[in-house]
Amino acid sequence: EVQLVESGGGLVQPGGSLRLSCAASAFTVSTNYMTWVRQAPGKGLEWVSVIYSGGSTYYADSVKGRFTISRDSSKNTLYLEMNSLRVEDTAVYYCARGRIGGGNILDYWGQGTLVTVSS
Amino acid sequence: AIRMTQSPSSLSASIGDRVTITCRASQGLSSYLAWYQQKPGKAPKLLIYAASTLQSGVPSRFSGSGSGTDFTLTINCLQSEDFATYYCQQYYSYPLTFGPGTKVDV
Repeated sequence: EVQLVESGGGLVQPGGSLRLSCAASAFTVSTNYMTWVRQAPGKGLEWVSVIYSGGSTYYADSVKGRFTISRDSSKNTLYLEMNSLRVEDTAVYYCARGRIGGGNILDYWGQGTLVTVSS
Repeated sequence: AIRMTQSPSSLSASIGDRVTITCRASQGLSSYLAWYQQKPGKAPKLLIYAASTLQSGVPSRFSGSGSGTDFTLTINCLQSEDFATYYCQQYYSYPLTFGPGTKVDV
């Protein structure tokens, strides 16, 4: 059974850094598009970043230059390195798998990890 | 960026009702549109992709239609487990964008 389990969220001060992890099972992270989506408290869904199977990456303008998506094939894990965090980055962060044959169709999601940016 | 709108933003319905949610894109998407269901405190769940293709395991009372800029999600014979928020998502171009959501409640 495909599973995605996020970790690494928590409370951080503005300007701080955090690294989120997303451990995958029953499929290989490096052969799928993998995506991060976030949801601010009480708000809708916002796409953050994607990494292709070939390694190309794309980012939302709101996080470009501050966030970095990456993966470790040996650990079958996706990461999101977040620097220069802002209050408006506060959200639940979900990792999601891109459907095979349709990479930006998100067919499996993790349970989410909460990031709170506050002083 | 492609802007997605949904209507209504919320609706009240009863068990057995037919519910229709509309999603509109600011530019043409062909059929590069997906629908997700989200329940409180849970991750979104993929319902439909390519505007009208039902994801495996999703009940057949859910259906999608449309192409270009106008799309519809229909739930026939609403069940108790269908009370949730529904989002459309375009995957025609980056940045990927979601609609603001439609909350379906009693």
